Amino acid sequence: NAGVMQNPRHLVRRRGQEARLRCSPVKGHSHVYWYRQLPEEGLKFMVYLQKENIIDESGMPKERFSAEFPKEGPSILRIQQVVRGDSAAYFCASSPGLAGLSGELFFGEGSRLTVL
Amino acid sequence: TQLLEQSPQFLSIQEGENLTVYCNSSSVFSSLQWYRQEPGEGPVLLVTVVTGGEVKKLKRLTFQFGDARKDSSLHITAAQPGDTGLYLCAGAQNTNAGKSTFGDGTTLTVKP
Repeated sequence: NAGVMQNPRHLVRRRGQEARLRCSPVKGHSHVYWYRQLPEEGLKFMVYLQKENIIDESGMPKERFSAEFPKEGPSILRIQQVVRGDSAAYFCASSPGLAGLSGELFFGEGSRLTVL
Repeated sequence: TQLLEQSPQFLSIQEGENLTVYCNSSSVFSSLQWYRQEPGEGPVLLVTVVTGGEVKKLKRLTFQFGDARKDSSLHITAAQPGDTGLYLCAGAQNTNAGKSTFGDGTTLTVKP
């Protein structure tokens, strides 16, 4: 499967714990995007990363959320001290270059976080 | 803040019927995408429209981009149960690479 790979697919955490979501982009893609989707809603942009660089994090909550895309390995979205409101589906997408030129995003199947 | 409004929010029809869903904004977009999402899955890209007035056809699906590049429509002819899903439109700007604005989607149910 050469598509965007996300894991875990489902994650359950208790309030105050940490959640780590991983995303391996399509092979050869150097741009990664994280989006969040609440039930019955569309996707909301969180962050755009290139290898070792955060390009745009304007959609990320100021506290508890962080993202990275290291030179080696997957991109990671980290949520510290989770609260119930963090329960959502988190989608990763990748593109080979500036997606804005075409707008096309290739999504993974998502990681569904449930906070008890 | 750029917003995309989709209508209707929910649509339930019988197999064989035609339908149109709409995606409207007050903002101009460099391109607009339509995605289809099934429960438990990620969105899958259906089409990209770039030019104002552009019409693209994908089998029984017809996509149109408004002349002013602010709105779009998706028309499905002779809907089938396999068309059931959440249809999302998303607008992108050349100056904000990857920061697409998504509508809240139209949930389509096609009954056999």
